[in-house]
Amino acid sequence: EAQVTQNPRYLITVTGKKLTVTCSQNMNHEYMSWYRQDPGLGLRQIYYSMNVEVTDKGDVPEGYKVSRKEKRNFPLILESPSPNQTSLYFCASSSSGRGGGEQFFGPGTRLTVL
Amino acid sequence: QQPVQSPQAVILREGEDAVINCSSSKALYSVHWYRQKHGEAPVFLMILLKGGEQKGHEKISASFNEKKQQSSLYLTASQLSYSGTYFCGTELSGNQFYFGTGTSLTVIP
Repeated sequence: EAQVTQNPRYLITVTGKKLTVTCSQNMNHEYMSWYRQDPGLGLRQIYYSMNVEVTDKGDVPEGYKVSRKEKRNFPLILESPSPNQTSLYFCASSSSGRGGGEQFFGPGTRLTVL
Repeated sequence: QQPVQSPQAVILREGEDAVINCSSSKALYSVHWYRQKHGEAPVFLMILLKGGEQKGHEKISASFNEKKQQSSLYLTASQLSYSGTYFCGTELSGNQFYFGTGTSLTVIP
């Protein structure tokens, strides 16, 4: 089954404790992206990747890191989480970033930073 | 750079039609439309590319006015299953993606 998976689905952590949210897709997609969703603000892009070893900042990259060492995986790293990073996070993938088609979203990760 | 959606919320009775608008201040390469049901991930509806090509569903259609950088989503003969939050997503000349703040659509019997 074609899908995007994220882990964990729910995470409660404390300020400053490094964490990683994993994202994996099995569709051989080149384009992958991370979004955060907050009430009233919609989905905002954090980082995106056009292909292996090619990543770039989205609209709200501060406080986040990403890497793309393999085509299927695109982890999101919070080196020192803060309460304002409490949010619902979605990973998405697409066959192309240039109008190539739909983005497939993972199920989401709800993060709470205390 | 985030597109503006209107209305913010709409309530319809089954069978009624609705229009959701999306407007950007930047030149757009493409416009995407997604629907998100409560507690779920967004799901793709359709994409409109610069140049006028349109893809999507039959009962849900959309237009893209390149000159005005505006798109509209048309839902005809609404069904209960249409309820959810609709987002437009815009792709600019780079590869960044910007989603609107969403339109909550509720269809009642």
